[in-house]
Amino acid sequence: GQQVMQIPQYQHVQEGEDFTTYCNSSTTLSNIQWYKQRPGGHPVFLIQLVKSGEVKKQKRLTFQFGEAKKNSSLHITATQTTDVGTYFCAGGTLGGSQGNLIFGKGTKLSVKP
Amino acid sequence: NAGVTQTPKFRILKIGQSMTLQCTQDMNHNYMYWYRQDPGMGLKLIYYSVGAGITDKGEVPNGYNVSRSTTEDFPLRLELAAPSQTSVYFCASSRTQSGTGELFFGEGSRLTVL
Repeated sequence: GQQVMQIPQYQHVQEGEDFTTYCNSSTTLSNIQWYKQRPGGHPVFLIQLVKSGEVKKQKRLTFQFGEAKKNSSLHITATQTTDVGTYFCAGGTLGGSQGNLIFGKGTKLSVKP
Repeated sequence: NAGVTQTPKFRILKIGQSMTLQCTQDMNHNYMYWYRQDPGMGLKLIYYSVGAGITDKGEVPNGYNVSRSTTEDFPLRLELAAPSQTSVYFCASSRTQSGTGELFFGEGSRLTVL
């Protein structure tokens, strides 16, 4: 079936270092969404990318959607302790049922002060 | 605006017991979803609904049932609980069809089956 692979599974960084997580889909996506889940919390929507090659920025966060709409990345510049949590990508699939949003397994980010 | 509210937050069940996880949203969203999250895994869709009276199976529906009698409420029922159903359950809603817009999640219900 359709899958969205996300790497790395874990990332430990020193505060101030950069961080990147990558998502790859086996099929072309209609769009990609990114969510952040703080420890013990619930997923919170960050952004949605729809267009091929799209790049969006939110302060220190940069989101990219690949030209082929099969991959995406989230890059955080100069991490802070408030960035701790698990980042999930979720790919919207073409056609199929109304429930087609495939989540990656997430990248758990820890930041050492 | 409370958003998506789930109850209970925590529950321990014995094998074979049944229970209902409640979910209600006050955003007048037509689309609602139930996900389960296991450690180190992403979110797996159990059931979803595109409006009152309409429900459909997601990726992992076995052992669960849902109903959608109103726009606001989308309860998830576990029949004959099994240890494999130990998980964190998230209810979510969206204004537009899944995969086209933001999902709003509840705070989760942590269920343990012993």
